[in-house]
Amino acid sequence: GAGVSQSPSNKVTEKGKDVELRCDPISGHTALYWYRQSLGQGLEFLIYFQGNSAPDKSGLPSDRFSAERTGGSVSTLTIQRTQQEDSAVYLCASRFTPTSNQPQHFGDGTRLSIL
Amino acid sequence: AQKITQTQPGMFVQEKEAVTLDCTYDTSDQSYGLFWYKQPSSGEMIFLIYQGSYDEQNATEGRYSLNFQKARKSANLVISASQLGDSAMYFCAITGTYKYIFGTGTRLKVLA
Repeated sequence: GAGVSQSPSNKVTEKGKDVELRCDPISGHTALYWYRQSLGQGLEFLIYFQGNSAPDKSGLPSDRFSAERTGGSVSTLTIQRTQQEDSAVYLCASRFTPTSNQPQHFGDGTRLSIL
Repeated sequence: AQKITQTQPGMFVQEKEAVTLDCTYDTSDQSYGLFWYKQPSSGEMIFLIYQGSYDEQNATEGRYSLNFQKARKSANLVISASQLGDSAMYFCAITGTYKYIFGTGTRLKVLA
């Protein structure tokens, strides 16, 4: 597609359930990022993929969070046993290459609400 | 380590006036990029402008320009002729290699 696509756009679930968030980056973009943004706050880095590898997972808040990327394209962020503090907007971004002159292009995000 | 500081949590500007949003940074990298993004209330992050550390000219993109002062480590965004649609959060970011570091943002409100 022309831009970064994320699904679902909204997700409401009960505490303790597992959720999967999907990101489809711009075709040909090798670098993919996940961020979390709480209401009125800045962007919190979660994880970075180069191809299918994740050389930096340092931002994942706990072992309930995991992510994978397959075929150098689609990525899935999984949150297990969701907690209310997981409620946030989860943003995905991709870049053509991870060099300093390349901008990130963002999806519209998934708004996650934990009841 | 890299760091971005945006000291203005909120700004007001009158429609058609110019406004400057401040951004200072810290990095030990010799080669780095500075970016500004706009986030309207709808939530999407929109790339506005880029400045490379070795660029001698200030970047411009339409009504957006970046006032880059390398010695002072500042990369201020200037929006000329503000429009109501410019009301949004604005984030400054720096990247050396793969990782982006974002500032906390400035909320701009354009007044009619």
